[in-house]
Amino acid sequence: ETGVTQTPRHLVMGMTNKKSLKCEQHLGHNAMYWYKQSAKKPLELMFVYNFKEQTENNSVPSRFSPECPNSSHLFLHLHTLQPEDSALYLCASSIDRGLTDTQYFGPGTRLTVL
Amino acid sequence: AQSVTQLGSHVSVSEGALVLLRCNYSSSVPPYLFWYVQYPNQGLQLLLKYTTGATLVKGINGFEAEFKKSETSFHLTKPSAHMSDAAEYFCAVSDRASGGYQKVTFGTGTKLQVIP
Repeated sequence: ETGVTQTPRHLVMGMTNKKSLKCEQHLGHNAMYWYKQSAKKPLELMFVYNFKEQTENNSVPSRFSPECPNSSHLFLHLHTLQPEDSALYLCASSIDRGLTDTQYFGPGTRLTVL
Repeated sequence: AQSVTQLGSHVSVSEGALVLLRCNYSSSVPPYLFWYVQYPNQGLQLLLKYTTGATLVKGINGFEAEFKKSETSFHLTKPSAHMSDAAEYFCAVSDRASGGYQKVTFGTGTKLQVIP
């Protein structure tokens, strides 16, 4: 596969469940990102990793826990979520942290919290 | 902080008509500007970007955008709409965050409908 892949594509979970979202990039990039996309709101940056090091936690609640075991894989661990966390979660990568770098996005995971 | 404003959350055009999607930015420094497109059930894909140099930027699928500093605008145009252009379009501005990484601020998006 090429590009940025995300699994699962759809996820329904209860508020007491624990689940994980997975992102994999096959582009040889060094930076990876998690975004939240909600209806009628701009994309919200959640986490940034560069060379496996987390460089930003954008005031995200602790019920979201990221993990970046290597520069190709990024996970988002979910636990005790709230219904307002229902959204499309997008993973992206870029070659580095340059201001003009293009971010390459995966197709997203559509999360529904019941 | 930098920001972008997209005028019109929905735009409808007839097939073959001009496409014009508006974006205005707010920035205290020369901006780096992007247009991304999101097709249904897909992630965002870069259409074009302005960094420095020529103010008229050409992108994929026949789209182009012009950086106008005096108007703080970066409007996206295409001379003739095609049915396959139906998607949501996002204007974005890039900045250096305190953590040293590239922080991209996106607009709220404009959904383009193309009418046969």
